[in-house]
Amino acid sequence: EAGVTQSPTHLIKTRGQQATLRCSPISGHTSVYWYQQALGLGLQFLLWYDEGEERNRGNFPPRFSGRQFPNYSSELNVNALELEDSALYLCASSYQGPYEQYFGPGTRLTVT
Amino acid sequence: GENVEQHPSTLSVQEGDSAVIKCTYSDSASNYFPWYKQELGKRPQLIIDIRSNVGEKKDQRIAVTLNKTAKHFSLHITETQPEDSAVYFCAAIFGGGADGLTFGKGTHLIIQP
Repeated sequence: EAGVTQSPTHLIKTRGQQATLRCSPISGHTSVYWYQQALGLGLQFLLWYDEGEERNRGNFPPRFSGRQFPNYSSELNVNALELEDSALYLCASSYQGPYEQYFGPGTRLTVT
Repeated sequence: GENVEQHPSTLSVQEGDSAVIKCTYSDSASNYFPWYKQELGKRPQLIIDIRSNVGEKKDQRIAVTLNKTAKHFSLHITETQPEDSAVYFCAAIFGGGADGLTFGKGTHLIIQP
């Protein structure tokens, strides 16, 4: 069984630009969660998608948005990039809401 | 807000000894407590989880115990091996899980040869 995949592995952007990150869940999983792992801040919840709908978002500005496609893959968009957006962005998928979440390898976003 | 406190931040043990990592949580309604292992440069890996209707769960050398009254849970690793070296995160769900997983700050486990 293929695990959660994410692309790209690394992304370098300039402040003010936009970044798009992609996630493909494990086959059969309908929930996708996005987390930010910044140095010293641990993993923080960003967004939750289930059955194509945004179900909830964490304490992040509206510059962070995304969507889930009919095949349950998901996209995270970050607009007007700021230096502090530099972090590892992880997505996780699950079959049953917040339980048993499996993570992808992450996208390392660097904003210069 | 709801949070998870994790201790210690760094733990160094001799190979073959046991390691224990502890977490406390703030919401007594929490009912799901997973543990993740993250090796350097790798994804967090779900290694064990426990639900609130269970007091203890084991899987080979790892075990998790839950004390709902005291609102804390612990990860126990016995007969530690070099490959156990990693950062371990505990987590919990609050408010039914709409906010995803709330993670502790992590414990860097170092296995000394």
